[in-house]
Amino acid sequence: AAGVIQSPRHLIKEKRETATLKCYPIPRHDTVYWYQQGPGQDPQFLISFYEKMQSDKGSIPDRFSAQQFSDYHSELNMSSLELGDSALYFCASSLRGGVTQRQSTGELFFGEGSRLTVL
Amino acid sequence: AQSVTQLDSHVSVSEGTPVLLRCNYSSSYSPSLFWYVQHPNKGLQLLLKYTSAATLVKGINGFEAEFKKSETSFHLTKPSAHMSDAAEYFCVVSVGSGGYQKVTFGTGTKLQVIP
Repeated sequence: AAGVIQSPRHLIKEKRETATLKCYPIPRHDTVYWYQQGPGQDPQFLISFYEKMQSDKGSIPDRFSAQQFSDYHSELNMSSLELGDSALYFCASSLRGGVTQRQSTGELFFGEGSRLTVL
Repeated sequence: AQSVTQLDSHVSVSEGTPVLLRCNYSSSYSPSLFWYVQHPNKGLQLLLKYTSAATLVKGINGFEAEFKKSETSFHLTKPSAHMSDAAEYFCVVSVGSGGYQKVTFGTGTKLQVIP
Protein backbone atom coordinates (compact mmCIF):
# COMPACT_ATOMS: atom_id res chain seq x y z
CA ALA A 1 0.00 0.00 0.00
CA ALA A 2 1.16 3.50 -0.74
CA GLY A 3 2.57 5.38 2.22
CA VAL A 4 3.53 8.96 2.95
CA ILE A 5 6.60 9.92 0.96
CA GLN A 6 9.04 12.54 2.18
CA SER A 7 11.97 13.97 0.34
CA PRO A 8 14.79 14.42 0.72
CA ARG A 9 15.47 11.86 3.42
CA HIS A 10 18.67 13.62 4.46
CA LEU A 11 19.74 17.21 3.96
CA ILE A 12 22.81 19.08 5.12
CA LYS A 13 22.82 22.86 5.06
CA GLU A 14 24.93 25.70 6.40
CA LYS A 15 23.68 28.38 8.76
CA ARG A 16 21.63 31.10 7.09
CA GLU A 17 20.88 28.91 4.08
CA THR A 18 17.39 27.84 3.01
CA ALA A 19 15.89 24.38 2.75
CA THR A 20 12.72 22.90 1.31
CA LEU A 21 11.18 19.63 2.43
CA LYS A 22 8.49 17.89 0.45
CA CYS A 23 5.70 15.59 1.54
CA TYR A 24 3.44 13.45 -0.63
CA PRO A 25 0.46 12.17 1.35
CA ILE A 26 -1.30 8.88 0.92
CA PRO A 27 -3.59 9.04 -2.12
CA ARG A 28 -7.00 10.51 -1.27
CA HIS A 29 -5.81 11.87 2.06
CA ASP A 30 -6.78 15.50 2.32
CA THR A 31 -4.94 16.64 5.45
CA VAL A 32 -1.21 17.06 5.96
CA TYR A 33 0.62 17.71 9.21
CA TRP A 34 4.23 18.74 9.78
CA TYR A 35 6.15 17.86 12.92
CA GLN A 36 9.65 18.67 14.10
CA GLN A 37 11.52 16.24 16.34
CA GLY A 38 14.75 17.50 17.83
CA PRO A 39 17.37 15.12 19.25
CA GLY A 40 15.88 13.26 22.21
CA GLN A 41 12.62 15.20 21.94
CA ASP A 42 9.06 14.22 21.21
CA PRO A 43 7.53 15.41 17.94
CA GLN A 44 6.39 19.02 18.06
CA PHE A 45 3.52 20.08 15.86
CA LEU A 46 4.39 22.80 13.38
CA ILE A 47 1.49 23.30 11.02
CA SER A 48 -1.29 21.47 9.19
CA PHE A 49 -3.28 21.90 6.00
CA TYR A 50 -6.67 20.73 4.87
CA GLU A 51 -7.74 21.09 1.28
CA LYS A 52 -4.84 23.45 0.58
CA MET A 53 -5.77 25.80 3.40
CA GLN A 54 -3.86 26.13 6.64
CA SER A 55 -6.00 24.48 9.30
CA ASP A 56 -3.88 24.73 12.44
CA LYS A 57 -0.62 26.27 13.51
CA GLY A 58 1.72 25.13 16.22
CA SER A 59 5.22 26.14 17.16
CA ILE A 60 6.39 27.00 13.66
CA PRO A 61 9.04 29.75 13.55
CA ASP A 62 8.38 32.82 11.43
CA ARG A 63 11.38 31.81 9.30
CA PHE A 64 9.43 28.77 8.17
CA SER A 65 6.51 28.65 5.80
CA ALA A 66 4.52 25.86 4.27
CA GLN A 67 1.80 25.27 1.77
CA GLN A 68 -0.30 22.48 0.32
CA PHE A 69 -0.69 22.27 -3.43
CA SER A 70 -3.56 21.24 -5.67
CA ASP A 71 -2.27 17.65 -5.83
CA TYR A 72 -2.27 17.66 -1.98
CA HIS A 73 1.48 17.44 -1.63
CA SER A 74 2.98 19.88 0.82
CA GLU A 75 6.26 21.74 1.09
CA LEU A 76 7.93 23.14 4.18
CA ASN A 77 10.25 26.04 3.41
CA MET A 78 12.86 27.01 5.97
CA SER A 79 14.97 30.13 5.64
CA SER A 80 17.86 31.66 7.59
CA LEU A 81 18.62 28.25 9.01
CA GLU A 82 19.99 28.04 12.52
CA LEU A 83 21.88 25.26 14.27
CA GLY A 84 18.79 24.59 16.37
CA ASP A 85 16.79 23.73 13.27
CA SER A 86 18.70 20.46 13.02
CA ALA A 87 16.00 17.86 13.54
CA LEU A 88 13.94 15.12 12.03
CA TYR A 89 10.96 16.59 10.23
CA PHE A 90 7.94 14.37 9.89
CA CYS A 91 5.04 14.72 7.61
CA ALA A 92 1.80 12.90 8.31
CA SER A 93 -1.40 12.61 6.37
CA SER A 94 -4.92 11.71 7.31
CA LEU A 95 -8.35 11.51 5.87
CA ARG A 96 -10.36 14.26 7.49
CA GLY A 97 -13.50 12.78 6.12
CA GLY A 98 -16.30 13.65 3.82
CA VAL A 99 -19.74 14.65 4.95
CA THR A 100 -19.44 13.22 8.42
CA GLN A 101 -16.72 13.08 11.01
CA ARG A 102 -17.26 9.35 11.35
CA GLN A 103 -15.38 8.74 8.13
CA SER A 104 -12.19 9.80 9.82
CA THR A 105 -10.64 7.74 12.59
CA GLY A 106 -8.16 10.47 13.36
CA GLU A 107 -5.25 8.20 12.57
CA LEU A 108 -2.17 9.90 11.24
CA PHE A 109 0.04 8.07 8.80
CA PHE A 110 3.63 9.19 9.10
CA GLY A 111 6.40 9.37 6.59
CA GLU A 112 9.91 8.18 7.39
CA GLY A 113 11.01 11.75 8.02
CA SER A 114 13.55 14.13 6.57
CA ARG A 115 16.65 14.63 8.65
CA LEU A 116 17.99 18.15 8.42
CA THR A 117 21.47 18.89 9.69
CA VAL A 118 22.54 22.51 9.91
CA LEU A 119 26.30 23.09 10.19
CA ALA B 1 -8.36 21.07 25.54
CA GLN B 2 -6.57 17.75 25.61
CA SER B 3 -3.35 16.39 27.00
CA VAL B 4 -1.39 13.19 27.23
CA THR B 5 0.87 12.09 30.06
CA GLN B 6 3.29 9.23 29.70
CA LEU B 7 4.18 8.45 33.24
CA ASP B 8 7.61 6.94 32.63
CA SER B 9 10.28 8.45 30.42
CA HIS B 10 12.35 5.23 30.59
CA VAL B 11 11.33 1.63 31.21
CA SER B 12 13.76 -1.23 31.45
CA VAL B 13 12.70 -4.90 31.33
CA SER B 14 14.41 -8.22 30.87
CA GLU B 15 13.83 -10.17 27.70
CA GLY B 16 10.86 -12.49 28.11
CA THR B 17 9.23 -10.47 30.91
CA PRO B 18 6.05 -8.40 30.60
CA VAL B 19 6.04 -4.83 29.35
CA LEU B 20 3.83 -2.05 30.73
CA LEU B 21 4.01 1.46 29.33
CA ARG B 22 1.62 3.85 30.99
CA CYS B 23 -0.41 6.59 29.39
CA ASN B 24 -3.07 8.87 30.83
CA TYR B 25 -5.03 11.38 28.85
CA SER B 26 -7.46 14.18 29.36
CA SER B 27 -9.97 15.35 26.82
CA SER B 28 -13.20 17.29 26.79
CA TYR B 29 -14.54 15.07 24.01
CA SER B 30 -14.45 11.41 23.11
CA PRO B 31 -10.91 10.82 21.91
CA SER B 32 -9.22 8.42 19.59
CA LEU B 33 -6.07 7.05 21.14
CA PHE B 34 -3.00 5.63 19.49
CA TRP B 35 0.35 4.13 20.32
CA TYR B 36 3.21 4.70 17.91
CA VAL B 37 6.66 3.16 18.05
CA GLN B 38 9.84 4.78 16.82
CA HIS B 39 13.04 2.80 16.37
CA PRO B 40 16.31 4.75 16.30
CA ASN B 41 16.60 6.98 13.25
CA LYS B 42 13.30 5.69 11.91
CA GLY B 43 9.83 7.06 11.37
CA LEU B 44 6.77 6.55 13.51
CA GLN B 45 4.93 3.27 13.10
CA LEU B 46 1.39 2.73 14.33
CA LEU B 47 1.18 -0.06 16.90
CA LEU B 48 -2.51 0.09 17.66
CA LYS B 49 -5.47 2.42 17.91
CA TYR B 50 -8.67 2.90 19.88
CA THR B 51 -11.52 4.61 18.05
CA SER B 52 -14.59 4.01 20.26
CA ALA B 53 -15.04 0.36 19.36
CA ALA B 54 -13.74 -2.46 21.60
CA THR B 55 -11.93 -1.15 24.68
CA LEU B 56 -9.26 -3.86 24.50
CA VAL B 57 -7.25 -3.23 21.39
CA LYS B 58 -4.75 -5.64 19.89
CA GLY B 59 -1.93 -4.31 17.79
CA ILE B 60 1.10 -5.54 15.94
CA ASN B 61 4.01 -7.48 17.41
CA GLY B 62 1.95 -8.83 20.32
CA PHE B 63 1.15 -5.46 21.88
CA GLU B 64 -2.25 -4.57 23.23
CA ALA B 65 -3.81 -1.70 25.13
CA GLU B 66 -6.96 -1.23 27.14
CA PHE B 67 -8.99 1.95 27.08
CA LYS B 68 -10.32 2.68 30.57
CA LYS B 69 -12.54 5.71 30.53
CA SER B 70 -13.02 5.77 34.30
CA GLU B 71 -9.27 5.96 34.80
CA THR B 72 -8.60 8.01 31.64
CA SER B 73 -5.86 5.55 30.82
CA PHE B 74 -4.63 3.73 27.74
CA HIS B 75 -1.70 1.64 28.96
CA LEU B 76 0.31 -0.44 26.51
CA THR B 77 1.22 -4.01 27.43
CA LYS B 78 2.98 -7.02 26.02
CA PRO B 79 3.25 -10.38 27.79
CA SER B 80 6.84 -11.09 26.85
CA ALA B 81 9.43 -8.54 25.75
CA HIS B 82 11.67 -9.19 22.79
CA MET B 83 14.99 -7.52 22.08
CA SER B 84 13.49 -5.98 18.93
CA ASP B 85 10.95 -4.12 21.11
CA ALA B 86 13.64 -1.72 22.29
CA ALA B 87 12.48 1.61 20.95
CA GLU B 88 10.64 4.76 21.93
CA TYR B 89 6.88 4.63 22.29
CA PHE B 90 4.50 7.54 21.95
CA CYS B 91 0.95 7.71 23.20
CA VAL B 92 -1.18 10.02 21.08
CA VAL B 93 -4.65 11.45 21.57
CA SER B 94 -6.71 12.76 18.71
CA VAL B 95 -9.96 14.64 19.04
CA GLY B 96 -12.16 15.73 16.19
CA SER B 97 -13.62 19.21 16.13
CA GLY B 98 -15.64 20.27 13.15
CA GLY B 99 -14.00 17.58 11.06
CA TYR B 100 -10.44 18.54 12.00
CA GLN B 101 -8.37 16.24 14.18
CA LYS B 102 -6.38 17.90 16.94
CA VAL B 103 -3.49 15.58 17.67
CA THR B 104 -1.40 15.66 20.83
CA PHE B 105 1.70 13.57 21.48
CA GLY B 106 2.92 12.32 24.81
CA THR B 107 6.56 12.91 25.64
CA GLY B 108 7.52 9.35 24.86
CA THR B 109 8.77 6.34 26.81
CA LYS B 110 12.07 4.74 25.94
CA LEU B 111 11.92 0.98 26.37
CA GLN B 112 15.13 -0.85 27.07
CA VAL B 113 15.17 -4.64 26.85
CA ILE B 114 17.95 -6.39 28.72
CA PRO B 115 19.14 -9.76 27.40
